[in-house]
Amino acid sequence: GAVVSQHPSWVICKSGTSVKIECRSLDFQATTMFWYRQFPKQSLMLMATSNEGSKATYEQGVEKDKFLINHASLTLSTLTVTSAHPEDSSFYICSAPSGASGPYEQYFGPGTRLTVT
Amino acid sequence: KQEVTQIPAALSVPEGENLVLNCSFTDSAIYNLQWFRQDPGKGLTSLLLIQSSQREQTSGRLNASLDKSSGRSTLYIAASQPGDSATYLCAVSPAAGNKLTFGGGTRVLVKP
Repeated sequence: GAVVSQHPSWVICKSGTSVKIECRSLDFQATTMFWYRQFPKQSLMLMATSNEGSKATYEQGVEKDKFLINHASLTLSTLTVTSAHPEDSSFYICSAPSGASGPYEQYFGPGTRLTVT
Repeated sequence: KQEVTQIPAALSVPEGENLVLNCSFTDSAIYNLQWFRQDPGKGLTSLLLIQSSQREQTSGRLNASLDKSSGRSTLYIAASQPGDSATYLCAVSPAAGNKLTFGGGTRVLVKP
């Protein structure tokens, strides 16, 4: 099946700094990728839809100036958490649909655990 | 707005018993439904995908059914094993390649 990678797998940063998380589709192209966050013992909440070559679409309540998304190529989307605060500590997961000849199954990256101190 | 609910939130069974996990969604206009497995601190592993035109999908000990008109899907895991212990999530998509709406998950513990 299709593979999606994320980097880094975990990161610790100080409050006020910015952190960039990468999401790559390794063996397929993705014009669209999705970014989710997950708090402990909770389900995934969609943050934004990343669109290759155009602006991301953010879900209601997600600050677009705080969570910057760039989809510069068909295999790479990045999420930058700007001026991070402890409440931004969470598990961030990206996904990409692969459906050249199928039902557009979503493939997920392994996630990035962000801890802001 | 689509809402997805999973019942029960947690389930504990002895090894060998069959597992039945339920998922319901409020808007029946879905493109497909996926079942995922998540181990603690890990990403999601896709288990089964059912297109809206299908009624069930099977993979090994796993069988998922879909009743789109009533907004329900059920995941059956036969002859459970301790390695099946994980959180199981269902999610629906309204269109091809579109975003997923997730249920809250069912945490499963299979006791040896």
